[in-house]
Amino acid sequence: NAGVTQTPKFQVLKTGQSMTLQCAQDMNHNSMYWYRQDPGMGLRLIYYSASEGTTDKGEVPNGYNVSRLNKREFSLRLESAAPSQTSVYFCASSEGQGIYRADNEQFFGPGTRLTVL
Amino acid sequence: GDSVTQMEGPVTLSEEAFLTINCTYTATGYPSLFWYVQYPGEGLQLLLKATKADDKGSNKGFEATYRKETTSFHLEKGSVQVSDSAVYFCALSNAGNNRKLIWGLGTSLAVNP
Repeated sequence: NAGVTQTPKFQVLKTGQSMTLQCAQDMNHNSMYWYRQDPGMGLRLIYYSASEGTTDKGEVPNGYNVSRLNKREFSLRLESAAPSQTSVYFCASSEGQGIYRADNEQFFGPGTRLTVL
Repeated sequence: GDSVTQMEGPVTLSEEAFLTINCTYTATGYPSLFWYVQYPGEGLQLLLKATKADDKGSNKGFEATYRKETTSFHLEKGSVQVSDSAVYFCALSNAGNNRKLIWGLGTSLAVNP
């Protein structure tokens, strides 16, 4: 199993350009997440998808859109990139079996390092 | 709302020293608690977890005990190695938050030979 994969690993954009970050998982997980990681700010949730066909905003959704393409894939789109979106982006997935599960371990991809000039 | 507070880093230790990274939480009900580790240039991976009060999670020589009376989940290791140099994140999951993870800010650990 590859786990959670992300593409690309690195990307440099100019202000105003658009791009899509791709994420796929092969663990048959229901839930998927997009985070950004900035120095001194830990992990911040951008969007998540509790199950196929649903998406919800996290803490910092402005400037981003997501698509849960199918159970495996969850993409993050920057329509008009800004320097403030320079960050490391992580995708994660979890089983998300509902309210009766005692835990919700998340599995992370290796990250995409994005620089917006 | 729910929250997690970790001790600020960076923490710098010599090899074989004892490690404690403090984590306290605020939550209603009975959350599950986690420690994740991020090695340089990599994504996060689960280090250990505990799902109910008084549970002890352990892995790779690290331990943490879920203390409901003090709302704490401190990470400890008796003898650190250079390879333990990483950033450590404490997190909680609670039914009231749709089981999303609530994260601490992370604590950077550097272990010198």
